[in-house]
Amino acid sequence: ETGVTQTPRHLVMGMTNKKSLKCEQHLGHNAMYWYKQSAKKPLELMFVYNFKEQTENNSVPSRFSPECPNSSHLFLHLHTLQPEDSALYLCASSQVPGTDTQYFGPGTRLTVL
Amino acid sequence: GENVEQHPSTLSVQEGDSAVIKCTYSDSASNYFPWYKQELGKGPQLIIDIRSNVGEKKDQRIAVTLNKTAKHFSLHITETQPEDSAVYFCAAKETSNTGKLIFGQGTTLQVKP
Repeated sequence: ETGVTQTPRHLVMGMTNKKSLKCEQHLGHNAMYWYKQSAKKPLELMFVYNFKEQTENNSVPSRFSPECPNSSHLFLHLHTLQPEDSALYLCASSQVPGTDTQYFGPGTRLTVL
Repeated sequence: GENVEQHPSTLSVQEGDSAVIKCTYSDSASNYFPWYKQELGKGPQLIIDIRSNVGEKKDQRIAVTLNKTAKHFSLHITETQPEDSAVYFCAAKETSNTGKLIFGQGTTLQVKP
């Protein structure tokens, strides 16, 4: 275990649904990240939070809405997704952004019907 | 920005043989290069990393080499075992304010018993 947990592990949703992904880190880190992992593609960074403040949005569509209420928790709110959004969504944390080692959670496998 | 290319995309070896995965990067100022292993159903796990002030680092059966002049780095696994079968990702740290990691496309390693 890396100290980063994600729930749910699997999620199936329709295009009109609203759902949320949750990430929690137990490492005392101050930076948290959302990544998207699609088949045959490199990991794509979506968002970066530093001390609860968003410091990077990598041109992510507005149907993905992140929330970071504190340094230990990160959410990704989903609404009106498209089938091409089906992927593994990974959360990671590090001591602070720009420091080297990122620790990943197990991911949420999302399927959009 | 940084661009990372990883080869091969798939690699099959016999148990006990060595495996080598290579990555090239574009930003000569990059100074941190981690390698992650991702097993089925899990998030990526850091297995070894190297900084630009050294040329080689070893941890038991795993080693990483870095050639800053040529801008490439490699992962070497000796005496491979079936449990080494996984997807391996290289990454390079961008030299921007956020210092985000740019990942390669991944290599699926299969170790045949």
